[in-house]
Amino acid sequence: DVKVTQSSRYLVKRTGEKVFLECVQDMDHENMFWYRQDPGLGLRLIYFSYDVKMKEKGDIPEGYSVSREKKERFSLILESASTNQTSMYLCASSLGGEADTQYFGPGTRLTVL
Amino acid sequence: AQSVTQLGSHVSVSEGALVLLRCNYSSSVPPYLFWYVQYPNQGLQLLLKYTSAATLVKGINGFEAEFKKSETSFHLTKPSAHMSDAAEYFCAVSDLYNFNKFYFGSGTKLNVKP
Repeated sequence: DVKVTQSSRYLVKRTGEKVFLECVQDMDHENMFWYRQDPGLGLRLIYFSYDVKMKEKGDIPEGYSVSREKKERFSLILESASTNQTSMYLCASSLGGEADTQYFGPGTRLTVL
Repeated sequence: AQSVTQLGSHVSVSEGALVLLRCNYSSSVPPYLFWYVQYPNQGLQLLLKYTSAATLVKGINGFEAEFKKSETSFHLTKPSAHMSDAAEYFCAVSDLYNFNKFYFGSGTKLNVKP
């Protein structure tokens, strides 16, 4: 079974703090994704990566950056957290073929005070 | 960009009743289509996906979905709801130029009454 793990289930940070959300997958997947999930808006893609050190902006990249130094790990960085970044963050990975199934982690619920 | 519309943010059915969750997509070109389910406090998991092999797609837990190009729809159905089906369901469509990029609908929460 594919396993995608996220470093924290719940996180509380203060405005202006630098926040790191970590995601690790154990199936040698090429693609990794970061989404945020908000009620009534579904999932929106923040960033994705096709390979180590490769990244592409998704639909809402503003205020976020990412890092992929190793194939299995994809980090989401909030350089200076703001209250409007309070949300559920979901990481996903996929093998790399056309429209391959994305496998999701359990999510990190981030609250920025 | 593609878009996905899920009609009804909340759907309530009785146990044993038909489940119908609606999804319409914006593209004129048949994309790849997906239904995912999210149980409370969990990530999303794939229910089924359409890849143009067959218009009626069967998934896990007795769910199926029918791709209708003329209606740009991909509605999810299950003949008989079970209490364990209570969850949030998301329809997703792949981007036309980058098939690994998905657009998700806003979700439909299914409540199953005993």
